[in-house]
Amino acid sequence: QQPVQSPQAVILREGEDAVINCSSSKALYSVHWYRQKHGEAPVFLMILLKGGEQKGHEKISASFNEKKQQSSLYLTASQLSYSGTYFCGTGGDSGNTPLVFGKGTRLSVIA
Amino acid sequence: GAGVSQSPSNKVTEKGKDVELRCDPISGHTALYWYRQSLGQGLEFLIYFQGNSAPDKSGLPSDRFSAERTGGSVSTLTIQRTQQEDSAVYLCASRQGGRTGELFFGEGSRLTVL
Repeated sequence: QQPVQSPQAVILREGEDAVINCSSSKALYSVHWYRQKHGEAPVFLMILLKGGEQKGHEKISASFNEKKQQSSLYLTASQLSYSGTYFCGTGGDSGNTPLVFGKGTRLSVIA
Repeated sequence: GAGVSQSPSNKVTEKGKDVELRCDPISGHTALYWYRQSLGQGLEFLIYFQGNSAPDKSGLPSDRFSAERTGGSVSTLTIQRTQQEDSAVYLCASRQGGRTGELFFGEGSRLTVL
């Protein structure tokens, strides 16, 4: 079951903040976040495990609400380098459950 | 190798031909995924290999698509009788193992079906 991301696209000025949401209709064991720049392969940002753990990566952090089956990615004081498409990937409890990604959120940071 | 290697990087073929795309994962990685990314679209799951378990083929769009992984390492994705809608970037990713490891993606194979 593919997770649902919102918004589909967002445009920010440098220094502004953004939140990208990811929700699933299935119980989640983990949530992955990746960023893909144009013409490049997706690159790992972070993994969150059930338990509401919040992780950070520079000025990018994320939360995971297991009960609501949701995760949010927080980008603070955005930089031009944050531009790209952000994907959340979700996997279930089974060790053999594949990682399925949402359709992505296209983030454009302008000067 | 240092990263996930995919070949060819670009493939142009005629409608109806068969194509094979190869993925060489990071040494020691037990999990291997194939995804498809059409122009401007998300990452569509195709197939997943985990160790010696039977692959999860639930994402394959039709029986024209198949994949195998030999010796727990190199994987080949085969598309038979290609159609124009098969045109996309095919991405391979590998993971060290366990349920929470990060995925390492290859640069992808861009397939164009004329």
